[in-house]
Amino acid sequence: EADIYQTPRYLVIGTGKKITLECSQTMGHDKMYWYQQDPGMELHLIHYSYGVNSTEKGDLSSESTVSRIRTEHFPLTLESARPSHTSQYLCASSESGTGQETQYFGPGTRLLVL
Amino acid sequence: AQSVTQPDIHITVSEGASLELRCNYSYGATPYLFWYVQSPGQGLQLLLKYFSGDTLVQGIKGFEAEFKRSQSSFNLRKPSVHWSDAAEYFCAVGARTGGFKTIFGAGTRLFVKA
Repeated sequence: EADIYQTPRYLVIGTGKKITLECSQTMGHDKMYWYQQDPGMELHLIHYSYGVNSTEKGDLSSESTVSRIRTEHFPLTLESARPSHTSQYLCASSESGTGQETQYFGPGTRLLVL
Repeated sequence: AQSVTQPDIHITVSEGASLELRCNYSYGATPYLFWYVQSPGQGLQLLLKYFSGDTLVQGIKGFEAEFKRSQSSFNLRKPSVHWSDAAEYFCAVGARTGGFKTIFGAGTRLFVKA
């Protein structure tokens, strides 16, 4: 069982508010990812990190930002939430250097912006 | 560029019946292949993965998948479905393209009839 945690699990917030979605893993994985998933739809990679102080944008453009100050922590921030940000956000992590990276996922944060 | 296609948006099977979920991929070399399962409101859980070797891969919860290079397929099977298998199933392909990138299919939602 992978040890990767996301908080909050559910969040309802008004337009214009700043929010931070937390993601932590206790496996010592170098790589971490954020995906956005609309109901019944595929996952879209929005951010990833290959290690501390390394962050990259993913395939899907996102107004969110991320930081990676510690290996185990990869928070995602929206400076000003909008209804179009309503979605589920999934965090994942994987080992590196093995050539066989398997991603382990957190339970997700379901965000509703009113 | 790599891609994953899951042709069936949803499938309904009776409890106790066999199951096969289809997955086709596009990639120029031998890919790494994954199946994940997602229960409602949850993150993704790894069912099984293929990296090399035996093309028939056993996973958790009684699932198996077979890699067929000639058909670019990695179909997921289970001989007897249980009601608790109702969930969304995602096929994913990973490849070394200047780093390791994982692409997820759109998912197949499985409904189980009593």
